[in-house]
Amino acid sequence: EVQLLDSGGGLVQPGGSLRLSCAASGFTFRSYAMSWVRQAPGKGLEWVSSISGSGDSTYYADSVKGRFTISGDNSKNTLYLQMSSLRAEDTAVYYCAKSHASSGFLYDSWGQGTLVTVSS
Amino acid sequence: DIQMTQSPSTLSASVGDRVTITCRATQSINNWLAWYQQKPGKAPKLLIYKASSLESGVPSRFSGSGSGTEFTLTISSLQPDDFATYYCQQYNSYSPLTFGGGTKVEI
Repeated sequence: EVQLLDSGGGLVQPGGSLRLSCAASGFTFRSYAMSWVRQAPGKGLEWVSSISGSGDSTYYADSVKGRFTISGDNSKNTLYLQMSSLRAEDTAVYYCAKSHASSGFLYDSWGQGTLVTVSS
Repeated sequence: DIQMTQSPSTLSASVGDRVTITCRATQSINNWLAWYQQKPGKAPKLLIYKASSLESGVPSRFSGSGSGTEFTLTISSLQPDDFATYYCQQYNSYSPLTFGGGTKVEI
């Protein structure tokens, strides 16, 4: 059974940094692209970033480009999102998501989400 | 960017009703369209991909159709477990990937 466990969220001041983690199990981690998708309180879903299974290719939404870095550790089956220069508008629940077998940008499994609050 | 517009934003229905949700793209996305269901406090769940392919384990009362720029999600007979918010997602282009604004199906 595929399991994704998101962690690392919390309260951070504007301009601060935070690293999110997603521990994966139940599938061959290096064989699937992984992504982060966020959801601001009471709002819809917003794609944030994706990484290929090999880690060679990364993709970012314009809203986070230059501030967030996605990475993966195949030895630990863990996905990361390093977030810096955080802004109030980054406040959201962040979900990691595993890609579907048919497409790297379609998601068939999701973590439970971790809440990031950016506030002074 | 490809914008995705869902309608309606809220839908009131009863158990047993046939429900249809529409999703429109600002440019052709071929059939690279997915539908997700999300319940409060939970992660989204994939229902339909490639516009009309039913994800494994999803009840057959859910179906998807459409191509190009206009797509629909249909629930043939609404069940109590189906009251949730539904999102469409285009994955024709990852620059960027985009979701619709959501349709809340309520009693």
